[in-house]
Amino acid sequence: EVQLVESGGGLVQPGGSLRLSCAASGFTFSTYDMHWVRQASGKGLEWVSAIGTGDDTYYEGSVKGRFTISRENAKNSLYLQMNSLRVGDTAVYYCAREAHSSDWNDWYFDLWGRGTLVTVSS
Amino acid sequence: QSALTQPASVSGSPGQSITISCTGTSSDVGGYNFVCWYQQYPGKAPKLLIYDVSNRPSGVSNRFSGSKSGNTASLTISGLQAEDEADYYCSSYTSSITLVFGGGTKVTVL
Repeated sequence: EVQLVESGGGLVQPGGSLRLSCAASGFTFSTYDMHWVRQASGKGLEWVSAIGTGDDTYYEGSVKGRFTISRENAKNSLYLQMNSLRVGDTAVYYCAREAHSSDWNDWYFDLWGRGTLVTVSS
Repeated sequence: QSALTQPASVSGSPGQSITISCTGTSSDVGGYNFVCWYQQYPGKAPKLLIYDVSNRPSGVSNRFSGSKSGNTASLTISGLQAEDEADYYCSSYTSSITLVFGGGTKVTVL
């Protein structure tokens, strides 16, 4: 089955760290660019970060320098290392697969995971 | 990067057509034909409805259509059905090499 499954969420204090994982299955993970998108409770979607098949990385401004996206193709896994966490980082974090396109900056997502909840609170 | 502007809510009766707007700038919506639309039910992951302004993935109903004029993209739902009651989000690639979403629109079927 083609799917993405996130894990690693939980409760963490402000200033703390957390590492999210996303396990991919049913497709050739190494050939896809991958993204993290988050959604605070009752709020809209917010793009967080992306990683290309060549390990090029991109970040939303508020997480740049605090979050690190990475991938391990041998394990069909995507990661998000989150440091210096803030209350405002509280959200469900989704892993998303970027659809194959002839344009490298045509970023749309044809497969999403179910998300993992990150709560930053003292 | 500011979120794209969408109306908070749109409603319509079954069978009617509704349109959701998504307004950005020349650095995102107006600068690229990389606007897409997602549908999200409560507690569920988003689902891709439209990509590249007006293209539908296989399996998506042809009742959903997209367009763009200048810095504003639009999603039209024709023949509104009860199952269309959900949240809808637009997104666009930006000149900062990031992605920006709209604030979301709640569609209510009266």
